[in-house]
Amino acid sequence: QSALTQPPSASGSPGQSVTISCTGTSSDVGRYNYVSWYQQHPGKAPKLIIYEVNKRPSGVPDRFSGSKSGTSASLTVSGLQSEDEAEYYCSSYASSNNLGVFGTGTKVTVL
Amino acid sequence: EVQLLESGGGLVQPGESLRLSCAASGFTFNIYIMNWVRQAPGKGPEWVSGISSSGGTTYSADSVKGRLTISRDNSKNTVYLQMNSLRADDTAVYYCAKLDTSGYYFDSWGQGTLVTVSS
Repeated sequence: QSALTQPPSASGSPGQSVTISCTGTSSDVGRYNYVSWYQQHPGKAPKLIIYEVNKRPSGVPDRFSGSKSGTSASLTVSGLQSEDEAEYYCSSYASSNNLGVFGTGTKVTVL
Repeated sequence: EVQLLESGGGLVQPGESLRLSCAASGFTFNIYIMNWVRQAPGKGPEWVSGISSSGGTTYSADSVKGRLTISRDNSKNTVYLQMNSLRADDTAVYYCAKLDTSGYYFDSWGQGTLVTVSS
């Protein structure tokens, strides 16, 4: 099972928006609405910020939003804040292994 | 509050074995699918293995089948990862992660334990 493809980096100034793409295949992102996104700060465990494409867990700011079209998903962070500087990973259920697959990761820098 | 506390990591030589443990608290352990997810240095996470709530069904990534085995003891609220025939590419931080009731995303993670395989 190959990793989902994400751009290595993205950046924006405080208050701006940044969108991260996540490209999969018809066996994962394209087949299921089980795309999730995780935020990871250095030295910390990943934290769930989006699940089932566009749902936010309790406590996650509405500045974070998700979407999906075909075999690609996206995460948008609006109104960038310094604490949003982190690595972001997408993930999708994959029927091929009954487990799942993660993305390659995108480092978001707040300029 | 959900807490997942991993232990058992360390430095081992290629071919050796190690057993990781994850002690869970703050939720009804015996109704959730539990998993191990690893992250090699500078890489993205990799879903390694999962186990059903009863322990009767397990899933493993092809890269670890036959070498890494997940198990659980619901009486102790603990999930394990037995790691045999370790290789250099098994070097990673190993996280214990709880799947949500839907079974499709990780809603809680432990702090991780580092496994280093090197001669």
